[in-house]
Amino acid sequence: EAGVTQFPSHSVIEKGQTVTLRCDPISGHDNLYWYRRVMGKEIKFLLHFVKESKQDESGMPNNRFLAERTGGTYSTLKVQPAELEDSGVYFCASSQVRSLNTGELFFGEGSRLTVL
Amino acid sequence: AQRVTQPEKLLSVFKGAPVELKCNYSYSGSPELFWYVQYSRQRLQLLLRHISRESIKGFTADLNKGETSFHLKKPFAQEEDSAMYYCALKGGGSQGNLIFGKGTKLSVKP
Repeated sequence: EAGVTQFPSHSVIEKGQTVTLRCDPISGHDNLYWYRRVMGKEIKFLLHFVKESKQDESGMPNNRFLAERTGGTYSTLKVQPAELEDSGVYFCASSQVRSLNTGELFFGEGSRLTVL
Repeated sequence: AQRVTQPEKLLSVFKGAPVELKCNYSYSGSPELFWYVQYSRQRLQLLLRHISRESIKGFTADLNKGETSFHLKKPFAQEEDSAMYYCALKGGGSQGNLIFGKGTKLSVKP
């Protein structure tokens, strides 16, 4: 079974440009999450989708970040315009409804974003 | 404020020695705590959770509400235990909204 896949694995852009990160969750997982780790800091929650609906977006840092999950399958996270402090690793995770009770999230390998 | 603290960035032990990875939390409600692990070139994955009181790969963790701790322990470390270990707390948001510590890198030397 394929795990959570993320694309691209690494993106280097200049300040002010736009980047779109994509996440394909495990098939059948209704829950999809975005997290990020800025260098030297903790992995931080960004938001949670249940199917195509945003369940919790309390961690989104500002309105330069836009997450979508049209159709309830894959998700995209767009940063526009990117700033230097957006550099970090963006993780996507997914889970089934039943595994929420166990706290088990299945993570992707992450997309590293470097803003110059 | 909800917070997870892992005081050690790096912990280095010899094979066969006991290991204790420290985790302290701050949470006003009834906490749900987890340990996640990331082996070299692998994804972050769940190791264990306090609610199940299980032992995984020889690791155990006991929730101590009095000391607000959830330390991860193993009596005899193995080289394959070398990895990054993250303690996580389920916060007050939606399920899956986890608050992570900064992580501790465990290095087990032969």
